[in-house]
Amino acid sequence: DTAVSQTPKYLVTQMGNDKSIKCEQNLGHDTMYWYKQDSKKFLKIMFSYNNKELIINETVPNRFSPKSPDKAHLNLHINSLELGDSAVYFCASSQGGTGWGTDTQYFGPGTRLTVL
Amino acid sequence: KNQVEQSPQSLIILEGKNCTLQCNYTVSPFSNLRWYKQDTGRGPVSLTIMTFSENTKSNGRYTATLDADTKQSSLHITASQLSDSASYICVVSGRSGGGADGLTFGKGTHLIIQP
Repeated sequence: DTAVSQTPKYLVTQMGNDKSIKCEQNLGHDTMYWYKQDSKKFLKIMFSYNNKELIINETVPNRFSPKSPDKAHLNLHINSLELGDSAVYFCASSQGGTGWGTDTQYFGPGTRLTVL
Repeated sequence: KNQVEQSPQSLIILEGKNCTLQCNYTVSPFSNLRWYKQDTGRGPVSLTIMTFSENTKSNGRYTATLDADTKQSSLHITASQLSDSASYICVVSGRSGGGADGLTFGKGTHLIIQP
């Protein structure tokens, strides 16, 4: 069984479009995260949600908005896509609800977004 | 400024050999240090998580060490296998209990194991 899943795996779109990436975890974890990995493979945290509350919000553009319909899902909406948004986006989850304790994070397979 | 520096940037070794990857950090106050393995085209997988009081932690053929005084960590891989080819990322948490502004990522070491 897949622990953390993301859809789609690949997303190719034009500048200016609005798109969403979905994430689901079946681990019963309390906290979910979104990361961005750029072309240099540098991982950067974007958001996390704990019990439907945003507890981490890095300095990302407000064109990016996380949406959590329930504890098992954290979707990422991106408005007015720009060329610089091209990257691989990873979803992750952990049991702990305090953000960055010692709980193990489990990552999804990633979504490769290409903006043309 | 909180920083995590990893070395080398890339490393090529023969199958069966050992290797050691380095991580130096300036994150303060320190909470914990993590090593992740990321295969090409996959998400990172946690290898170890070490707190201030832990000096060594093993996970199979992977052994991580931590010297909180010198702010250095290493990841030693024993008897390397082709499946060890991946990027290894060091991540340091600078706050206990939370806050993404306390999380600092290294840029990773790209390891290639040759047969």
